[in-house]
Amino acid sequence: NAGVMQNPRHLVRRRGQEARLRCSPMKGHSHVYWYRQLPEEGLKFMVYLQKENIIDESGMPKERFSAEFPKEGPSILRIQQVVRGDSAAYFCASSEGRQTDTQYFGPGTRLTVL
Amino acid sequence: DQQVKQNSPSLSVQEGRISILNCDYTNSMFDYFLWYKKYPAEGPTFLISISSIKDKNEDGRFTVFLNKSAKHLSLHIVPSQPGDSAVYFCAALFPNTDKLIFGTGTRLQVFP
Repeated sequence: NAGVMQNPRHLVRRRGQEARLRCSPMKGHSHVYWYRQLPEEGLKFMVYLQKENIIDESGMPKERFSAEFPKEGPSILRIQQVVRGDSAAYFCASSEGRQTDTQYFGPGTRLTVL
Repeated sequence: DQQVKQNSPSLSVQEGRISILNCDYTNSMFDYFLWYKKYPAEGPTFLISISSIKDKNEDGRFTVFLNKSAKHLSLHIVPSQPGDSAVYFCAALFPNTDKLIFGTGTRLQVFP
């Protein structure tokens, strides 16, 4: 059973460009979470999605960031007009159900904004 | 406002000895806690969890202790092995949500 997959593993963008990060959950998992880790910090929750629905986006910046989890295909975290402060590692996790079901993490996408 | 705190950024332990990693939290509503281990350039890997109805959970070399009155939990690794060298994150499940609140991590180094 393949784990959570994220691509690309590394992404370099110039200021003002768009970044698209993809996450394929574990087989059988319908819940996806995105977290961001800034240098020397812990992971910070961004958004929680189920298929075609955003359940909790309380951690998402108000502008430039959006997420989706379509009926078919991976979950996408999209960052428009990137700035240097967006440079971070972005981790996706998935779980089978809610609450205390364990969240399993992907390897992350390291975004560098030049 | 850091609701989950890991006050020791690093810990160094000799192989075979016990490693004790500590975590404090401020929100008394947290009722489920997890420990994750993270190697460089990889995602966090789930280690062990504990519900607030318990005060101890054990899985092989890993034991998590929860002291609700002190809002404190700890992860014990016995015996420590060089492969345990990694960053360990404590996390709490935010009440009535599905989001994890992470501490800042403790870097464990196990030396021979």
